[in-house]
Amino acid sequence: NAGVTQTPKFQVLKTGQSMTLQCAQDMNHNSMYWYRQDPGMGLRLIYYSASEGTTDKGEVPNGYNVSRLNKREFSLRLESAAPSQTSVYFCASSEGGTGYGYTFGSGTRLTVV
Amino acid sequence: GQQVMQIPQYQHVQEGEDFTTYCNSSTTLSNIQWYKQRPGGHPVFLIQLVKSGEVKKQKRLTFQFGEAKKNSSLHITATQTTDVGTYFCAGNLGANNLFFGTGTRLTVIP
Repeated sequence: NAGVTQTPKFQVLKTGQSMTLQCAQDMNHNSMYWYRQDPGMGLRLIYYSASEGTTDKGEVPNGYNVSRLNKREFSLRLESAAPSQTSVYFCASSEGGTGYGYTFGSGTRLTVV
Repeated sequence: GQQVMQIPQYQHVQEGEDFTTYCNSSTTLSNIQWYKQRPGGHPVFLIQLVKSGEVKKQKRLTFQFGEAKKNSSLHITATQTTDVGTYFCAGNLGANNLFFGTGTRLTVIP
């Protein structure tokens, strides 16, 4: 069972470049999430998709866009990367609602220079 | 805004000693979850607590949820080197509203 798969694992961008982080889950989960993790700040929610066809902003959405392509896939796009977006990005999925834990992908380590 | 505070930020223990991390929320939570992240890894779901005053155990790990549903703790008895990692609590205010604490990084000295 793959669980949640994220690509790429590592990426270096120049300021102003764009890129899309890909995420796919094979657990038939309804909800999917994008978090960023910075030292000393825990995990902060960027965007989430409660179900196929819906997306909503989280705590730190500025500078990002998302697409819930289908039930399996949820992508995160940086249109014009900035050094402040240097972080580790995690995708996660869950059954939805409040009764379930989240399954996380292995993360994408992004550096913007 | 909503905050979930976690202390301590770091903890070094000798192997065999006990370890506790504490989590406090500024608002009442519908439930609380705990995750473990190994160095270089991703968060892995450990457990969820829902009821006021609930206590759950997983082998050497004991999880508690406060009576007011605003605080929680994770206690590890007789730590082992395999316990190394960062432990996060995550407070749930409602559907898709999970706020992570800043985590406690545990180092176990053999």
